[in-house]
Formats: sequence, C-alpha cells, structure tokens
Amino acid sequence: SQTIHQWPATLVQPVGSPLSLECTVEGTSNPNLYWYRQAAGRGLQLLFYSVGIGQISSEVPQNLSASRPQDRQFILSSKKLLLSDSGFYLCAWRGDRDHGYTFGSGTRLTVV
Amino acid sequence: AQSVAQPEDQVNVAEGNPLTVKCTYSVSGNPYLFWYVQYPNRGLQFLLKYITGDNLVKGSYGFEAEFNKSQTSFHLKKPSALVSDSALYFCAVRTPNYGGATNKLIFGTGTLLAVQP
Repeated sequence: SQTIHQWPATLVQPVGSPLSLECTVEGTSNPNLYWYRQAAGRGLQLLFYSVGIGQISSEVPQNLSASRPQDRQFILSSKKLLLSDSGFYLCAWRGDRDHGYTFGSGTRLTVV
Repeated sequence: AQSVAQPEDQVNVAEGNPLTVKCTYSVSGNPYLFWYVQYPNRGLQFLLKYITGDNLVKGSYGFEAEFNKSQTSFHLKKPSALVSDSALYFCAVRTPNYGGATNKLIFGTGTLLAVQP
C-alpha cells in the first residue's frame, strides 16, 4: 500500500537559519507531489508541486524553495528563515482521482 | 479561476443533532469535489468525493455530501453528530487537467465543527 512520510514532526528554528523538510512516498512510482502551508491553523496554501524528478512548479513567490532529487522524495528548503515562515507544512501526493490527495502528518515549524 | 468557498468559520451543533457544513464552488467544466477532515496537528484525511454519478455521495464515519450543480454547492452532512466529529473540515476542488496543466487541489478556508455533548 502507498504511504507518505514527512519529518520532522516539529521544528523550532531561529530567524536566519536554513531549513530542510523532507517528504517521501512509498508504494507508488512517479507520483505528483505537493507542498502546502497552513498558517494560523486554518487555510491551506499550495506552495510547490512536482510532476517528476527535477520538475518543480512554484505557486507563490516566497522565501522557500523545493527540490525533487529522487522520484519519491520531495524536499522543502530555505536558506534563511523569516518569522513569517512559521506554520504547519503538509506534503501530499496525488493518487488516483477517486481519493484526491494523500497527506503526510505535517511539520509544525516555529521560527523564533 | 477555480475556487471554493466555505462561508462558515465555525459550526456548532449538539451531539445527536444533524449537521451541515456548507461549501460552494466555482470551476470551469465538470468539478471534482472533495471533503477532508483535519484533527489538531495532523494531516488531512479524505472523507468523500464527487466525480460523477449520483449526486448524494457517502463517505467515511457516516458523512455524506450532496452535489447540487444548479447551486454549485457540495454541502457536507451527517444525520447525527458525535462529539468525536469535532474537527476542521475542508472542501476542495480539483482543477481540470487539460492543456498540459497539472491538476491541483484548491482548498476552502476550512470550517471548524464543534459538537457539544
């Protein structure tokens, strides 16, 4: 069966420090992968999506970047974190059309 | 552009009463509509979807939703609410996959369901 792993679960980082969040998918190949951010515990904003290795599409200009070095690995990064980068980050992959997306358990990032 | 609206920030209902969480959408072409639930500090869990066919779709945990094309709505319902249903609920629409575009899920702003014992 397909599973999605996301880590770490929580992270506290100082302003100006780098960031790397990792997401991996098992049990599928060539998945579409997505990074969402949920700010203030509510709305979900699509940040990046990827349809294949090395293919990244950015939805909004920001302080973050994404990479897909392997088929089932999706990484969210920043060179220098801002306070406004705090939030709950969710990785997702698209299965068949009947279930939309499957989400990881999320990473709570607090920038201090 | 595709969009989803959830007009209620919060819905309060007593346990045992029926509940409705509202969702309206705007999409070109035939919509693919979804409902997800999120418990605190967790990822989203799929509840149900409408792709085609019967307008009333049944999903997990006794939830159902009715697709109404004329009103462009996809309201989530449950005949008898449980305290354990208290969570954040998201409606979503999937953008069409044509013209080389990758389809994406566009989410509403979420509705917090609070079920009182």
